[in-house]
Amino acid sequence: SAVISQKPSRDICQRGTSLTIQCQVDSQVTMMFWYRQQPGQSLTLIATANQGSEATYESGFVIDKFPISRPNLTFSTLTVSNMSPEDSSIYLCGVRTGAAGDTQYFGPGTRLTVL
Amino acid sequence: EDQVTQSPEALRLQEGESSSLNCSYTVSGLRGLFWYRQDPGKGPEFLFTLYSAGEEKEKERLKATLTKKESFLHITAPKPEDSATYLCAVGNSNYQLIWGAGTKLIIKP
Repeated sequence: SAVISQKPSRDICQRGTSLTIQCQVDSQVTMMFWYRQQPGQSLTLIATANQGSEATYESGFVIDKFPISRPNLTFSTLTVSNMSPEDSSIYLCGVRTGAAGDTQYFGPGTRLTVL
Repeated sequence: EDQVTQSPEALRLQEGESSSLNCSYTVSGLRGLFWYRQDPGKGPEFLFTLYSAGEEKEKERLKATLTKKESFLHITAPKPEDSATYLCAVGNSNYQLIWGAGTKLIIKP
């Protein structure tokens, strides 16, 4: 498995501002994923972040709104840009280590509230 | 289209009352079926990965089984601390996880 930390754990932001969420893993991982989980719902994949290449975004998510960086094999950031109340959600970082096959492990999440 | 359906949406049990949660799926190129536990305000906690029909895995009071169309998470003699939302996901040929909506399990003492 992998130990994953996220910063911040929660934040309250004003409409129109941006927030960058960090994901740190205690070991090198092949694939990192960013998910959104809205209240009472399951996980929705935003994008897949691979080191050394552009992130791959899912339908309905665009780079201008959710820019992602993956500077090395243990770290990634997700920025939520020009926020609106509809962006209020839990944002989760997931990783696939390779050693555990296709299993993904998750960080504790970042709870974002946009006023 | 890849799809995962979990049932029931919510399940209330008395402590010690055994039951099962269901996860039915359709997927192109199954790359594993995954069970997670999620407590309120926390990230999903990995429980099991199953790859082949007939495969079973156990952990404490939980046992996961897999057929070609569905998976069951059996919970034996549950305790209040087993209360959580249980999520099922399948891996597809694009290395993505397709998630079910979850089953909220409440165990009353």
